Amino acid sequence: DIQMTQSPSTLSASVGDRVTITCRASQSISSWLAWYQQKPGKAPKLLIYKASSLESGVPSRFSGSGSGTEFSLTISSLQPDDFATYYCQQYNSYWTFGQGTKVEVK
Amino acid sequence: EVQLLESGGGLVQPGGSLRLSCAASGFTFDNYAMSWVRQAPGKGLEWVSTISATGISIYYAGSVKGRFTISRDNSKNTLFLQMNSLRAEDTAVYYCAKVAPPLAALDFWGQGTLVTVSS
Repeated sequence: DIQMTQSPSTLSASVGDRVTITCRASQSISSWLAWYQQKPGKAPKLLIYKASSLESGVPSRFSGSGSGTEFSLTISSLQPDDFATYYCQQYNSYWTFGQGTKVEVK
Repeated sequence: EVQLLESGGGLVQPGGSLRLSCAASGFTFDNYAMSWVRQAPGKGLEWVSTISATGISIYYAGSVKGRFTISRDNSKNTLFLQMNSLRAEDTAVYYCAKVAPPLAALDFWGQGTLVTVSS
């Protein structure tokens, strides 16, 4: 099974900050990686697919990069609506999620 | 507008069974694979199972294989998850999700239904 490891688990930041979350796969997954945003009590929302493709309707301040085993999600200028938990997910072999990164107010 | 509405959750005793349903609308249901993902209270997301658009190909996480059965009725635009031999660790919110083709990211999610396994 492919394991996904995110870092950090919690990130404290302020509005306007540039924020980066990393995700590492236990083996190469090419670019078969997605990023999701989840707010408390709500369903996850797809942000990025195929490592760097922005889902329709998602603000351009979100971007993804990486391939193979190392990936990152960057929020170029953190907005109040962006405080949430973020998950990476591989879909190279079945589906596996990272443990999540909570972005909280500093 | 894509809509996914889960139902069937509730309280069940350990060893019991429950059947979840997910009613889909707003897209051509029989063109897309569908998945179930769960989230235990205060924990992260865990993929549970995926079924192809035709229902021919089915995939399960190791934690539920042999106990859970995914199925679909394309004539009724509905996805199912039959859960047997339930354990306390199966307690979670269960989400159904639409799979972007070919078997890729989960591009739309329902709001979830809570399953609680407890005596």
